[in-house]
Amino acid sequence: KNQVEQSPQSLIILEGKNCTLQCNYTVSPFSNLRWYKQDTGRGPVSLTIMTFSENTKSNGRYTATLDADTKQSSLHITASQLSDSASYICVVSGGSNFGNEKLTFGTGTRLTIIP
Amino acid sequence: DGGITQSPKYLFRKEGQNVTLSCEQNLNHDAMYWYRQDPGQGLRLIYYSQIVNDFQKGDIAEGYSVSREKKESFPLTVTSAQKNPTAFYLCASTKARNYEQYFGPGTRLTVT
Repeated sequence: KNQVEQSPQSLIILEGKNCTLQCNYTVSPFSNLRWYKQDTGRGPVSLTIMTFSENTKSNGRYTATLDADTKQSSLHITASQLSDSASYICVVSGGSNFGNEKLTFGTGTRLTIIP
Repeated sequence: DGGITQSPKYLFRKEGQNVTLSCEQNLNHDAMYWYRQDPGQGLRLIYYSQIVNDFQKGDIAEGYSVSREKKESFPLTVTSAQKNPTAFYLCASTKARNYEQYFGPGTRLTVT
């Protein structure tokens, strides 16, 4: 069964500090891995998409890494800001190259930044 | 929210009533999706449509119905057959396979 597990479930850090969120997956065949940011009561917004051949990708203060061999990804947030408070969702795309793309969603890490 | 609108933001219904959630996109995307989000769970796919006049069931289609008469619109009807309809519903669209999905702002449905 395809699964995406994220850790920790929740995290509280001080403004200005760095943090790293983890994502482990068992999705096969693998197509790409995505990180989304979801503010409370809003739709998710894409941060990064990485394919099998990419092992790191940045979007401003967000840097995602991918180790396709160990099926692990991380999202590193640098110099956190209050606006980073949100849920971060790891999504893995799998399935064949024909027909519908199958996305498996993690349950998210709830990040709270305190001043 | 990337050119996708959902309405209304909040919706309240009595048990036994059907209700339709709106989703419109102006991104010229071919594929559109409906997801359901419940606390502590990942998003689950209800229905998806890759072209006009065609749609496919997702993982939890029972109690839901959709239509795709126009490229821009993909409304979702929550029927009285859906046993636990209270949830946050998200619509998404994508340009093509392996491209990012753009999500709408969501509709929170409460059924009492």
